[in-house]
Amino acid sequence: GENVEQHPSTLSVQEGDSAVIKCTYSDSASNYFPWYKQELGKGPQLIIDIRSNVGEKKDQRIAVTLNKTAKHFSLHITETQPEDSAVYFCAASGGWSGGYNKLIFGAGTRLAVHP
Amino acid sequence: DGGITQSPKYLFRKEGQNVTLSCEQNLNHDAMYWYRQDPGQGLRLIYYSQIVNDFQKGDIAEGYSVSREKKESFPLTVTSAQKNPTAFYLCAVTSGRYNEQFFGPGTRLTVL
Repeated sequence: GENVEQHPSTLSVQEGDSAVIKCTYSDSASNYFPWYKQELGKGPQLIIDIRSNVGEKKDQRIAVTLNKTAKHFSLHITETQPEDSAVYFCAASGGWSGGYNKLIFGAGTRLAVHP
Repeated sequence: DGGITQSPKYLFRKEGQNVTLSCEQNLNHDAMYWYRQDPGQGLRLIYYSQIVNDFQKGDIAEGYSVSREKKESFPLTVTSAQKNPTAFYLCAVTSGRYNEQFFGPGTRLTVL
């Protein structure tokens, strides 16, 4: 069945360093790949997404890259700050079907940024 | 999550009781979803609804029920048939031109 694998499960960096989280998906029909940030006790917040017609997207300190051939995509955070500490989830979608946009989620990466 | 409200924030239930979690949205979006989140795991889809009076089972629907009588509301009932209901429950809506999913703040359910 559809599956999304996410690595690493935990990531610890020093403030100012970069952080990279990688995800691999199984469904070759997936065409939408969002990333969510979840702080403790809160709902996930959409921080960036990418569609299959582009290979890279940036928004200030965060960027996402997509390799459709290899079926993997990555989140890059530069100049990390303590407020970046959270759990990050990747997801892959099978696309739009009658109004239903099913997302398959990775297991999450707990990022800790140390001052 | 502005525009999506979930209540209560914390809910305690005794074994054998049914409980209902509320999800309301004022974003005028058609599609709504319920997910379950367990520690160390990703989100798993319980039920979803694309329009009023219609809903479909997700990957883990057993022990849960939903209704969609109004566009703004999609309540989830956790029944006594759900063997391991303690979890964090998240409601989401699909929004925008590209169908991005946005989540509510969640309800943490604990079975005593």
